[in-house]
Order: sequence, then structure tokens, then C-alpha cells
Amino acid sequence: GAVVSQHPSWVICKSGTSVKIECRSLDFQATTMFWYRQFPKQSLMLMATSNEGSKATYEQGVEKDKFLINHASLTLSTLTVTSAHPEDSSFYICSARVKGQGGGEQYFGPGTRLTVT
Amino acid sequence: RKEVEQDPGPFNVPEGATVAFNCTYSNSASQSFFWYRQDCRKEPKLLMSVYSSGNEDGRFTAQLNRASQYISLLIRDSKLSDSATYLCVVTITGTASKLTFGTGTRLQVTL
Repeated sequence: GAVVSQHPSWVICKSGTSVKIECRSLDFQATTMFWYRQFPKQSLMLMATSNEGSKATYEQGVEKDKFLINHASLTLSTLTVTSAHPEDSSFYICSARVKGQGGGEQYFGPGTRLTVT
Repeated sequence: RKEVEQDPGPFNVPEGATVAFNCTYSNSASQSFFWYRQDCRKEPKLLMSVYSSGNEDGRFTAQLNRASQYISLLIRDSKLSDSATYLCVVTITGTASKLTFGTGTRLQVTL
């Protein structure tokens, strides 16, 4: 149980275009989902916390107008990278916390590798 | 200073060896502690939670020293399949869902 999927698994896009990444909890409901970014040989950095039915909470230094997050249902959150630039190329990973389950355990999606040319 | 610090390695050990990783955290309000494993170009997966009393899961033993703000992971009888990056992760009191990751320690187990 507790499977999280992401789509697409990898994407190449041109500079200036927008890319949408989906994160789905397949067999559980997730009131809270998290979006991380990981650059090569660096740790995962939390970008934002996505709560179903409300606005996302962004970490310091993350532009909310550039990284649009929508958490429309208990099983789906989307991250849209708007006007992508080469420096946005990274590994984007989402995670979800099971509804009603406390503590720090989160289930991670397989990640989306974004390359902006 | 980073919130969670780890030696990046790599640690190159032969199969069957015992290897230990350490991690220090800077925030005394850290509440929960975990070790995650991340394979190359894959997502992190929870390996085990870490408790003050110490906990063991098969060949893996985790310890927490709150006074020293130090966490350890011991792997006994290393297998080739243990080769991965091991991430030390903490949460801060009041932000129970927010995971703070260390940069990870890379382990390479060889024949």
C-alpha cells in the first residue's frame, strides 16, 4: 500500500514554456502533499507544502508565481513550472502523508526529471 | 551551518563488512528522526525511524543521542544491494510534516 505516482517521469522542454507535473496517491487519501527539488549531488529541498482545498505554503526563496501548485482533490496535486529556464532543470519529487496519520513518515513518488533547453 | 550534516562519502566497503554512518543536526527542537535510502536517480525510501532507545531491523541498527544531537546507522554484513545513498532526515517540533534532509552518505559495497 501507500503508493505515490508521478507523471511524467521525465520531460524535456524549451526555455520559456510551462511544464505540469502530476502527483497522485494511488491507494490512499492525502490531505497533505509535498514538493521537493533535488539538484545533482545535493539533498532534497522542500519547495512547498500542498494542502487539499487550500493554498500551498511555499518555502523561503521559492517563487509561488513561478511554481504553481494545485491540490484539487485528496489524491492529486500538480506542480506547474511556468516560463521554465535552464536553471529550473532538476529532479522534482512529490511525497504524500496518509490522511489521519501523524508523524513524519511520507511516501515519495518516483520523481520527474526536468530538462530545460 | 546546515541543519542536517552528513559525511558525503563515498564509503567503499567489501561485502560482509560492517559500516557506520553518522549524522548531526543543529536544531535542538528536532522531534523525529529517520534514515532514508535513495538509489541513483530514484526517490527516497524510508529505511527506518530512529528512537532514543535505539532500534534494530535485521542488519540495520539506528541510534539517537539527543544530548549530542547525533544520529547513527550501523549496517552489518553488508550486501551488494546495500549500495545506495543513505539520507539522514529530521523533523522539527511544531512542523511535524516537514522533513529536513541531509545531503546523504554514499555507500558502495564491492565484491
